[in-house]
Amino acid sequence: DAGVTQSPTHLIKTRGQHVTLRCSPISGHKSVSWYQQVLGQGPQFIFQYYEKEERGRGNFPDRFSARQFPNYSSELNVNALLLGDSALYLCASSSVLVNEQFFGPGTRLTVL
Amino acid sequence: AQKVTQAQTEISVVEKEDVTLDCVYETRDTTYYLFWYKQPPSGELVFLIRRNSFDEQNEISGRYSWNFQKSTSSFNFTITASQVVDSAVYFCALSENYNQGGKLIFGQGTELSVKP
Repeated sequence: DAGVTQSPTHLIKTRGQHVTLRCSPISGHKSVSWYQQVLGQGPQFIFQYYEKEERGRGNFPDRFSARQFPNYSSELNVNALLLGDSALYLCASSSVLVNEQFFGPGTRLTVL
Repeated sequence: AQKVTQAQTEISVVEKEDVTLDCVYETRDTTYYLFWYKQPPSGELVFLIRRNSFDEQNEISGRYSWNFQKSTSSFNFTITASQVVDSAVYFCALSENYNQGGKLIFGQGTELSVKP
């Protein structure tokens, strides 16, 4: 079975721009989570969606938003990009809320 | 508040040595889950193990073993007879209970370098 997929792999944006990152979960998984990983640190939780409803939100500004579609894929949107948003954005899926989460390869975002 | 501490930032060993990665957690929940993930240079986090708070039995999987001790809030990971392919950053993580949505709280990671 295919694992979690994310697109794009790499992205370069300038300050103030908007970005949309995409994630497709493992087939059959209904929960998708988003994490931000700054270089040299552990991933930080941004959002979790389960059955298309937001079930958790981390300590991130309102510039960050997400949604989950009927096919359980998900988008993470970041508005008004700042230099500090440069990071690896990881998507994870799981079959139930607290089961093990399987991660995708990530999208590396660079904000210039 | 929930917190995970991995005090070892970097560890360097020679191949075939045993190595233990430490993880200490803090939580007020009585039901919680602990995880270990491996992040090779490619960047993708690879799931290694999940443990729930009611199961303190140690686990062994090949060269990997995990020691969970609630009394000291620790969930340590040992690699026996390390290999160069074990070189990666290893993360310990804590998951809040079901009602909190199951988000993962990660430690800072331990970078393991295994030299031939």
